[in-house]
Amino acid sequence: AIQLTQSPSSLSASVGDRVTITCRASQGISSALAWYQQKPGKAPKLLIYDASSLESGVPSRFSGSGSGTDFTLTISSLQPEDFATYYCQQFNSYPPITFGQGTRLEIK
Amino acid sequence: QVQLVESGGGVVQPGGSLRLSCAASGFTFSSYGMHWVRQAPGKGLEWVAFIRYDGSNKYYADSVKGRFTISRDNSKNTLYLQMNSLRAEDTAVYYCAKDRDIVATIFDYWGQGTLVTVSS
Repeated sequence: AIQLTQSPSSLSASVGDRVTITCRASQGISSALAWYQQKPGKAPKLLIYDASSLESGVPSRFSGSGSGTDFTLTISSLQPEDFATYYCQQFNSYPPITFGQGTRLEIK
Repeated sequence: QVQLVESGGGVVQPGGSLRLSCAASGFTFSSYGMHWVRQAPGKGLEWVAFIRYDGSNKYYADSVKGRFTISRDNSKNTLYLQMNSLRAEDTAVYYCAKDRDIVATIFDYWGQGTLVTVSS
C-alpha cells in the first residue's frame, strides 16, 4: 500500500500568514493526489484534485503543487475560516486508497 | 444539488451486524462510483470500500475485507454497507462519498456521516 506522510502534523499560524503543508508518498503517484479540508464535526471538503487543480467554489488562496512523491498545499493568506484539519489522499494505486494522517492548523 | 444522506448507524455488540444506507440525490447515481470512508473518534480518515457505477467491481480495505460488503441499488439511488463480525475498532463515523468518475479516484461530495459504536 502507498503510504502518505504529511508534515507538519500540527501547525499554529496567524490570520494573513502564508502556510504550506507537505505530503510525501512512499512511491511515485504521478499527479493522482487530492487535498481535503475538514472542520470539527463536519464531513471533509474537496479543495484540490489532480495535485494542482482547484475545485470549483474553493477560494483562490488555496493552491496545490507537486508530482511523483512530493506535494504541497499552500494557503496564501490565512483567513479565520481556514483553521481546520487538512488531509492528502492518493488514488494512483488501489486498493487501498490512502490518506495522509492529517495536519491540524490552529490559530496562533 | 448533490445530497448524500447516511442512515443505519447505532450501537451494536462485538460480533454483531449492521447495515448502513446512503440515499443519493441531485446527480445521476448510476453514472458514478461510490465509496465508504470512516473516521474513528479523534482519528484520521480511513477509506473502507468502493463500488463501480454498475456494481461490477468492488474493492475493500484489508481491515474490513471478508466482513463488510458494499452494494448499490441504482433503481433506488442508494448505496449500502453490510457490516458483519463487528469489532471495537470498527467504531467510527461512516461517510458515504461520491467519486467524480466511474472508477475510484477522488471524493467530490460527502454525506454528513453516521456513527457506529461497537461496544458491549
